[in-house]
Amino acid sequence: DSGVTQTPKHLITATGQRVTLRCSPRSGDLSVYWYQQSLDQGLQFLIQYYNGEERAKGNILERFSAQQFPDLHSELNLSSLELGDSALYFCASSRNTGELFFGEGSRLTVL
Amino acid sequence: EDQVTQSPEALRLQEGESSSLNCSYTVSGLRGLFWYRQDPGKGPEFLFTLYSAGEEKEKERLKATLTKKESFLHITAPKPEDSATYLCAPIKAAGNKLTFGGGTRVLVKP
Repeated sequence: DSGVTQTPKHLITATGQRVTLRCSPRSGDLSVYWYQQSLDQGLQFLIQYYNGEERAKGNILERFSAQQFPDLHSELNLSSLELGDSALYFCASSRNTGELFFGEGSRLTVL
Repeated sequence: EDQVTQSPEALRLQEGESSSLNCSYTVSGLRGLFWYRQDPGKGPEFLFTLYSAGEEKEKERLKATLTKKESFLHITAPKPEDSATYLCAPIKAAGNKLTFGGGTRVLVKP
């Protein structure tokens, strides 16, 4: 158990819908990262937050947004969903400059 | 642009057959490298951090080494439970955008 909690574990929804994925980092970790992993691609970095502020941005679509709250949990919002958004979404947390600890992921299926 | 390449993409080994995985990279401001293991449908699990060329780290049957341009993960006398995808990620000096390689899928058959 990495200490990083992601909910929901599985989510099935329809095209055009909006979903929110939630992540609780390890106790004491200020950084939260979001990654997308689809079948034909590796781990793709989406975005990173540090203590509530956006720190780095990857290839995150405009339809996706994220935020980190004062209690350090983070949410990834995915809107206007398309079939190609079906993937595993991972959250990870870290101490400053340290290794990342990943959650078990949220599997999103868009039908 | 940063590039991370892992080879081979897939590796089938017999139990006890040692082998090596490669991670090569072109990254500005390299500060070190992470190795992770990922089981199907699970989140990546941290294995090693390497910071200096020539550094080596070991854990059970795994040994990671680092040079200036690449890193190797050696699997000695693997067991079926070593079957997983192994991922590397160079650590940059500036910024925190951690880019992972595509991974090497290792299957160890009994």
